Amino acid sequence: DTEVTQTPKHLVMGMTNKKSLKCEQHMGHRAMYWYKQKAKKPPELMFVYSYEKLSINESVPSRFSPECPNSSLLNLHLHALQPEDSALYLCASSHAGSTGELFFGEGSRLTVL
Amino acid sequence: AQSVAQPEDQVNVAEGNPLTVKCTYSVSGNPYLFWYVQYPNRGLQFLLKYITGDNLVKGSYGFEAEFNKSQTSFHLKKPSALVSDSALYFCAVREGYSSASKIIFGSGTRLSIRP
Repeated sequence: DTEVTQTPKHLVMGMTNKKSLKCEQHMGHRAMYWYKQKAKKPPELMFVYSYEKLSINESVPSRFSPECPNSSLLNLHLHALQPEDSALYLCASSHAGSTGELFFGEGSRLTVL
Repeated sequence: AQSVAQPEDQVNVAEGNPLTVKCTYSVSGNPYLFWYVQYPNRGLQFLLKYITGDNLVKGSYGFEAEFNKSQTSFHLKKPSALVSDSALYFCAVREGYSSASKIIFGSGTRLSIRP
């Protein structure tokens, strides 16, 4: 069982909707990540938070807005998305330090109509 | 920039035979290398990593990987394949040396084990 929990598992939204994806971990990890994955492709990094501060933004469009309210939670706020944003959104966490592997959640599958 | 390459889109192996999934890397400095597996409609699961030390790294589910500095490779291996090993496998490298650094994934290799 994964120790990174993502909700919802599935989300369908229109282009004018506002929704949020949520991620929670209780492993004491201080780095958290959002990845986007299209079918049969590798995950693409979107954002990295380190000690609750945004440290990496991979030039992600502003219609995606990350938030890290505390060390256990990571949100991704979605607004005015496009159909091409439909994908599997993966949250991950890792220990502080450079050698830590990522622990992934099961993902939230997003469909934008 | 750090990168990894997986030259094979698909690898087909008969059950019981050994398997190898290839990965080569390009890094400046010490490489921190990882293997992950992804089953359909699931997140990625960590298999093993190389940070330093022994070139043969053992991981989950009977997998191991051999780090070869001269060939800049980090191939994933298993002595005897199972049908349940069929999945998508990603090699990855950490870029940078802090908790805020990226982990970059290769393009992935689909492993198919036939009974």
